[in-house]
Amino acid sequence: DTGVSQDPRHKITKRGQNVTFRCDPISEHNRLYWYRQTLGQGPEFLTYFQNEAQLEKSRLLSDRFSAERPKGSFSTLEIQRTEQGDSAMYLCASSLSRGGWSNQPQHFGDGTRLSIL
Amino acid sequence: GENVEQHPSTLSVQEGDSAVIKCTYSDSASNYFPWYKQELGKGPQLIIDIRSNVGEKKDQRIAVTLNKTAKHFSLHITETQPEDSAVYFCAAEGIRNNDMRFGAGTRLTVKP
Repeated sequence: DTGVSQDPRHKITKRGQNVTFRCDPISEHNRLYWYRQTLGQGPEFLTYFQNEAQLEKSRLLSDRFSAERPKGSFSTLEIQRTEQGDSAMYLCASSLSRGGWSNQPQHFGDGTRLSIL
Repeated sequence: GENVEQHPSTLSVQEGDSAVIKCTYSDSASNYFPWYKQELGKGPQLIIDIRSNVGEKKDQRIAVTLNKTAKHFSLHITETQPEDSAVYFCAAEGIRNNDMRFGAGTRLTVKP
């Protein structure tokens, strides 16, 4: 399977703990996106990378959140000092940016569901 | 920023009937409009997309129409089947390819 892979699929943790999620994009894709999805809503953009460079962060991404893509391949999203409001599905997507049309389809993984106790 | 409104929030149809989901967007600079299908426990799956230079696109039982003047686009599913039951999301994105905004979703139920 060469789709977007996310790990873990589920994470339950106590409030105040730190958590880290991993995303492996489709191998030739140079763009990687993180989204958050709460129940009954569409995904909300958090941040994206072009290769290893983090180019944009949403205002939703508080200073407790940090994302990295050190070698331009897999990415990690860390949440420090988790709060109840962080409970959500965290989705990763990837796309291949090319010349000409800049809008290329984003392909999503199955997400990491985070539950804060 | 972009705001995407999606209607209806729930839709129930009989197998074989057609289903239509409508979205409006606010940013006239948006030029890419994908539609995603999300099944329980899964991530969104791209089913069709349309760019601003095209008014209509069709792929088998699925079609999407775009009216740039009115800033609305619609998903049409014909000959619905029970396996079409899922949550469908529309989205709109501008030229920078980093500002995709999603609608709140439509839960489609196809009754056999």
